[in-house]
Amino acid sequence: GENVEQHPSTLSVQEGDSAVIKCTYSDSASNYFPWYKQELGKGPQLIIDIRSNVGEKKDQRIAVTLNKTAKHFSLHITETQPEDSAVYFCAASPPWGTYKYIFGTGTRLKVLA
Amino acid sequence: NAGVTQTPKFRVLKTGQSMTLLCAQDMNHEYMYWYRQDPGMGLRLIHYSVGEGTTAKGEVPDGYNVSRLKKQNFLLGLESAAPSQTSVYFCASSYLAEGVEQYFGPGTRLTVT
Repeated sequence: GENVEQHPSTLSVQEGDSAVIKCTYSDSASNYFPWYKQELGKGPQLIIDIRSNVGEKKDQRIAVTLNKTAKHFSLHITETQPEDSAVYFCAASPPWGTYKYIFGTGTRLKVLA
Repeated sequence: NAGVTQTPKFRVLKTGQSMTLLCAQDMNHEYMYWYRQDPGMGLRLIHYSVGEGTTAKGEVPDGYNVSRLKKQNFLLGLESAAPSQTSVYFCASSYLAEGVEQYFGPGTRLTVT
């Protein structure tokens, strides 16, 4: 079955610097890759997603890139702010009919003021 | 629009006790999911439902039962709680089976002593 590896598990950056989180998936048929942000005491919330027919997507300070050949995708956060501090999860969605998202193990991002 | 709500927020059980976690969504979504979140393991799917009256097993279903008698509600039951079921439980819903955002509730923190 699908497996998603996420690195690093923790990441500390200075405010204003960039942060990059990487995920690798195993099932080449996966076609949808969302990223979720989880703030302390809350449920995960979608921040950006990408489909397999697109190589890059950007939304203000957040971008996601996808390399289908290497089967990995990355979250890029530029000009980080203290409110970006949270746990970030990547996920991969196998082909239609499985009804499952396979989540990575999460990255705790700390933005130091 | 409340989105996805979960009750209770916190619960402490003794080994062998039973309880039911309630999830409700007001978005008219067909698909609903129960996940558990443990440190270093990300989100793992327990059970899911593709519509009213249907349920199916996810990745870690043992020790749990579910019911979806009404479209807006998805119940997770623990018949005989074990310390290994200490976790944070999240309910989620979506309007399609794949390729779309899953909306998460705020979570229930369960401790089994």
